[in-house]
Amino acid sequence: ETGVTQSPTHLIKTRGQQVTLRCSSQSGHNTVSWYQQALGQGPQFIFQYYREEENGRGNFPPRFSGLQFPNYSSELNVNALELDDSALYLCASSRVSTGGEQYFGPGTRLTVT
Amino acid sequence: AQTVTQSQPEMSVQEAETVTLSCTYDTSENNYYLFWYKQPPSRQMILVIRQEAYKQQNATENRFSVNFQKAAKSFSLKISDSQLGDTAMYFCAFMKLTPGTYKYIFGTGTRLKVLA
Repeated sequence: ETGVTQSPTHLIKTRGQQVTLRCSSQSGHNTVSWYQQALGQGPQFIFQYYREEENGRGNFPPRFSGLQFPNYSSELNVNALELDDSALYLCASSRVSTGGEQYFGPGTRLTVT
Repeated sequence: AQTVTQSQPEMSVQEAETVTLSCTYDTSENNYYLFWYKQPPSRQMILVIRQEAYKQQNATENRFSVNFQKAAKSFSLKISDSQLGDTAMYFCAFMKLTPGTYKYIFGTGTRLKVLA
């Protein structure tokens, strides 16, 4: 088990709604990355936050947004949900100074109907 | 752009035997890390092993070892003495070390089943 936690575990939303997912980093980590994992696929990078600033973004539209707080916890917000947003959302924390491995949370399973 | 390919969607192995999972990648970078992650049915991704591209020596972690061929851009994972708890999805991941965003690029995964 890593020290990264995510909430909620599961979520069901309707198309067009908005959702907020939460992540608590492992102690001592200052960087949070978010990934989307569709069923049967590898995770896809959404964005990364370092010291409360977005530090890189993958090929996701602006309706995917995030925040990082002073305690390094993070939120992922998705507006105007679409059916294709149904996926497992993974949060990973790391120490940028080591430029290395990321520690993943258990994920939030989002279902959009 | 970097890509990671895992060409074996599913594999199975008998308990106590050895299995090798394949991964190839494409990059023009010279400084990068490669990783193998395990995702058991409980979903939490766990790091199995890491390889720095500048190191010629293959990484090993107990029963897990890699065969890193930088020129061929190949990074396979060997699991020795397979155990039932090794049953999981295995993902190969690439991360470049150019300062900036330290993001992973994952392959599509290999589902490994260890048979009793």
